[in-house]
Amino acid sequence: DVQLVETGGGLTQPGGSLRLSCAASGFSVSRNYMSWVRQAPGKGLEWVSIFYTGGDIYYADFVKGRFTISRDNSKNMAHLEMYSLRAEDTAVYYCARGEVAGRVDDWGQGTRVTVSS
Amino acid sequence: EIVLTQSPATLSLSPGERATLSCRASQSVTSFLVWYQQKPGQAPRLLIYDASNRATGIPARFSGSGSGTDFTLTISSLEPEDFAVYYCQHRSNWPFTFGQGTRLEIK
Repeated sequence: DVQLVETGGGLTQPGGSLRLSCAASGFSVSRNYMSWVRQAPGKGLEWVSIFYTGGDIYYADFVKGRFTISRDNSKNMAHLEMYSLRAEDTAVYYCARGEVAGRVDDWGQGTRVTVSS
Repeated sequence: EIVLTQSPATLSLSPGERATLSCRASQSVTSFLVWYQQKPGQAPRLLIYDASNRATGIPARFSGSGSGTDFTLTISSLEPEDFAVYYCQHRSNWPFTFGQGTRLEIK
C-alpha cells in the first residue's frame, strides 16, 4: 500500500526556516511525480512545488526563491526546505504522489506549519 | 496562470438527490481536469482525472464530463458520506491550480 508520512512542521517566527520531510513507502519516489501542496486555515488548496520523474522542478511564484524541493532516492523520501518564511506561509503542507504530472493520486496526512511572532 | 472558477460556492441538497458541480477555466485545459473530495480534517482524495475517468475505488455514482473550459462533476444519488468540499484542478501546464471549492452540505 502507498503511504506518505510528513514530518518537520511546527511554529517558527517570520524570516525563519523549516525543513519538511516525506517518508514514502509502497512505491519509488524516483518513478513518481512528487509534490507539496498546502492549505491555509479555512482556505483552499495551493500547489507549492513539483519534482518530475525526469528531474525537472517547478515552484509556485509565491515561494520561488524561498523554498527548495528535493528527493532522496536512496531513502525514498522527499523534502521541502523553506526559508524566509512569512505569516502567509502558515498552512497544512501535504506531501503528494502522482503517477502523471499534475495529478495527485495519493496524499500524506499533512504537517502543520505556523509562522508567527 | 489558469484560473478555475467553481460554482456554486455552496450546494445544499438531501441524500438521494442529484448533485451537479461546475468548474470553469479561464482558458482551455483540453481534458486535463481533475476533481478531488475533501472531508473535514482529512487530506483530499482523488475522484476523477482527465475530466471523466474515475479513480480507483471511486463509486459509479460519481461522474465527470466536459472539455476545454467547462467541466461538471455529477453525483447521481447522494449518500451521507458524500457531503464534503469538492475541488477541481487543472494539469494543463504549470502552475497547476485549484478552484476555490464547492461545499456540498446536507439540506
